[in-house]
Formats: sequence, structure tokens, C-alpha cells
Amino acid sequence: EAQVTQNPRYLITVTGKKLTVTCSQNMNHEYMSWYRQDPGLGLRQIYYSMNVEVTDKGDVPEGYKVSRKEKRNFPLILESPSPNQTSLYFCASNLAGVYNEQFFGPGTRLTVL
Amino acid sequence: AQKITQTQPGMFVQEKEAVTLDCTYDTSDQSYGLFWYKQPSSGEMIFLIYQGSYDEQNATEGRYSLNFQKARKSANLVISASQLGDSAMYFCAMRDRNTGANSKLTFGKGITLSVRP
Repeated sequence: EAQVTQNPRYLITVTGKKLTVTCSQNMNHEYMSWYRQDPGLGLRQIYYSMNVEVTDKGDVPEGYKVSRKEKRNFPLILESPSPNQTSLYFCASNLAGVYNEQFFGPGTRLTVL
Repeated sequence: AQKITQTQPGMFVQEKEAVTLDCTYDTSDQSYGLFWYKQPSSGEMIFLIYQGSYDEQNATEGRYSLNFQKARKSANLVISASQLGDSAMYFCAMRDRNTGANSKLTFGKGITLSVRP
């Protein structure tokens, strides 16, 4: 089954404790992205990757890191989480081009205390 | 800059009736794609339907259709024969050649739809 998977689905942590949210896709897509969703703000792109070892900032990259060592994986790293990073996070992947659907993972609900 | 506007407040519809969810967009590019996603209370983002800027016919996908009016820059989602399971948040999104380079979808703020039995 073609899918994007994320883990964990739910995470409660404390300020400053490093964490990683994993993301994997099995569709051989070149592009992968991370979004965060906050009430009233819709979804905003954090980082994206065009291919292995090629990543760049989206609209709200502060406080996040990513890496793309393999085509299928695109982990999101919070080196020192803060309460304003409490949010719903989505990983997504798609083929290159304007007209291609973006496939989303199930989401990760992160709470930073 | 790209922009998606969804201004309807929470929408209500009676089961088995049709409902239209509004979306207007703004882009200076002639090549763009418009997408609708559904987000139920469980949180996942489910792709519903897509319309390309050069498509001459309105997109349809089962009970979903897209009323695409290019001159007015609107891409309204029509859900026919509403079901209780259609209760969810609905997002309109767009990608053009400016955001195609980073693959970003620009999302509206969403519309909450509640289906009454």
C-alpha cells in the first residue's frame, strides 16, 4: 500500500529535551516536506527536500532541523523544543511538478511542556 | 504571492443534501493546481480532488466535484448526497510554478462542515 508513515503519533515532552519525529514514504517520491498545523493558521511548511542530501527552509524553519540521507526517509529534529512548538505535524511526499497530489502522513501531535 | 481564501463560517447541511464549500485563490502564474483535502476529527489529511489550471472540464471524483471558475479565481467544492461521515474540516490548497520549486502547497484556513441526520 502506497503510504507515508510517521512516528510517534503522539508525543508529550518537556522544554529542551531533544526529539526526532520519523517519516518514511514507499512511493519513491523525490519531494518530501514537513508542515505544522495550528488553529486558525492552516498548514505551514517547515522544511522540504527535493532529493537525497538536498533540503531547504520553508516558511517557518526556526527551531527545526531535517536530514535526507535516504530517499524514503525525512526525519524532523527538534534540538531544544519549546512550548511554542506544540502543534500537529505532518510529513508529506509527492512527485515533482505543479500538478501532483501531495500525500500526507497521519500526523504527529506534539505537546511541549 | 499565492493566497487561498476560505471565509465561510462553520457550515451545516442535512444528510443526503448537497453542499458547496467556497474557495478563492490568487496567483500571478498561469500554471497552477488546486487541491481539496478533508481532515476528520482523527486528524489525518485525506486528498479529495484536483483541478489543473488548463483543465477545460470541472473535476469530478465520486460524490465530489469542483466548480472551477478561472476568471473569478474560484474553485468551490461541491459534495453531493452528504453523509454523516462527511463531517470534517475541509481545506483548499494551491501550488503554482513559484511554489512548485519547493513543492509547497499553500493552504486556506479551512471550513468546518457538520452533517445533520
